[in-house]
Amino acid sequence: EVQLVQSGAEVKKPGESLTISCKASGYSFTTYWITWVRQMPGKGLEWMGRIDPSDSYTNYNPSFQGRVTISADKSIDTAYLQWSSLKASDTAMYYCARLYLPPHAFDVWGQGTMVTVSS
Amino acid sequence: QSVLTQPPSASGTPGQRVTISCSGSTSNIRSNSVNWYQQVPGTAPKLLIYSNNQRPSGVPDRFSGSKSGTSASLAISGLQSEDEADYYCAAWDDSLDRYVFGSGTEVTVL
Repeated sequence: EVQLVQSGAEVKKPGESLTISCKASGYSFTTYWITWVRQMPGKGLEWMGRIDPSDSYTNYNPSFQGRVTISADKSIDTAYLQWSSLKASDTAMYYCARLYLPPHAFDVWGQGTMVTVSS
Repeated sequence: QSVLTQPPSASGTPGQRVTISCSGSTSNIRSNSVNWYQQVPGTAPKLLIYSNNQRPSGVPDRFSGSKSGTSASLAISGLQSEDEADYYCAAWDDSLDRYVFGSGTEVTVL
């Protein structure tokens, strides 16, 4: 079964760093890109960026460029989303998804990781 | 303000047909494939339609997608209670150089 399993919920303080993970199974990890999507409480979906796990090439939504880092470790079939200094406005649910190219569709989704940033 | 515009809500009784519109521009919908996602509250989104009108394996044929020019639409025929969810259209935008989602439409089964 093709799956993406994300790490658990996090509660952090402003200014702290954080890395959340997305582990793939059931398919060849380097064959498909991985993407990250943010959903703020009660809001819609926002595309953050994508990574090609075969060579770690990344594209970012300009709105998130410089705020987060997307990476991947193909030796353990895992992608990451990282913050160096969290803000309260980073409070959201974060989803990873497998990117099916073309047509740039997200065909398999992780269960989501809730990140809460509060002092 | 979303780049792709959807109505905030739609509703119907069981068995009815509901249509959701998605309005974009030449740099997104006209130029690229439109995908649709279904998100039942409290769960992760699910791919419903890809490449404008293709259904992934396991998606009922009650769901259909179409595209014309700078607009796309999702139709749900034979509406069922389990179709209550939020629906998002999405496409790559060549001008913004990013993937864009619609604002989402909440479907209610009356």
